[in-house]
Amino acid sequence: NAGVTQTPKFQVLKTGQSMTLQCAQDMNHEYMSWYRQDPGMGLRLIHYSVGAGITDQGEVPNGYNVSRSTTEDFPLRLLSAAPSQTSVYFCASSYGQPLPLHFGNGTRLTVT
Amino acid sequence: DQQVKQNSPSLSVQEGRISILNCDYTNSMFDYFLWYKKYPAEGPTFLISISSIKDKNEDGRFTVFLNKSAKHLSLHIVPSQPGDSAVYFCAATSPGNQFYFGTGTSLTVIP
Repeated sequence: NAGVTQTPKFQVLKTGQSMTLQCAQDMNHEYMSWYRQDPGMGLRLIHYSVGAGITDQGEVPNGYNVSRSTTEDFPLRLLSAAPSQTSVYFCASSYGQPLPLHFGNGTRLTVT
Repeated sequence: DQQVKQNSPSLSVQEGRISILNCDYTNSMFDYFLWYKKYPAEGPTFLISISSIKDKNEDGRFTVFLNKSAKHLSLHIVPSQPGDSAVYFCAATSPGNQFYFGTGTSLTVIP
């Protein structure tokens, strides 16, 4: 049982480039979310989804897009990368709120 | 504005002693609280939770205490073991709402 799988583990982008962070879960969880972790800021919610076809904004959504076409996948798109998006990104899922989240191992993104 | 605060960035404890990690929150609507543990290069993993209808929850060596009037919760680890060395995040939520996380406390258990 793989749980929550994130790819890639590391990524370096130049300012203005776009990319997609992948997230997949095999637990049939309805709820999926993306967080970023920055020093001194804890984990902050970017976007979340309560089921296929439904997405909503979290605390820090600007500069990111998401879609949820299947229960298993929840990709995060950076449209035009900025240095302020340098962070560690975590995807998480659960059967529903407020049940505990299962996290992936993160993607470390550097934007130069 | 940080709704969940962990004011101690780090804590060192001798093996076998008690570790106490603290967390404060500002939103009185929060009714469910969790602790997560994170090792380097891994995602956070769920450790223990407590509902606002309780003031204590135990799971083996881990106990969470909730003081609603003070808007304060704490995680006690007894006895502490070197494998407990990690970053601990507290989180809080209210019905239909997102989780709010603290900034984390790095625990080092000294053998």
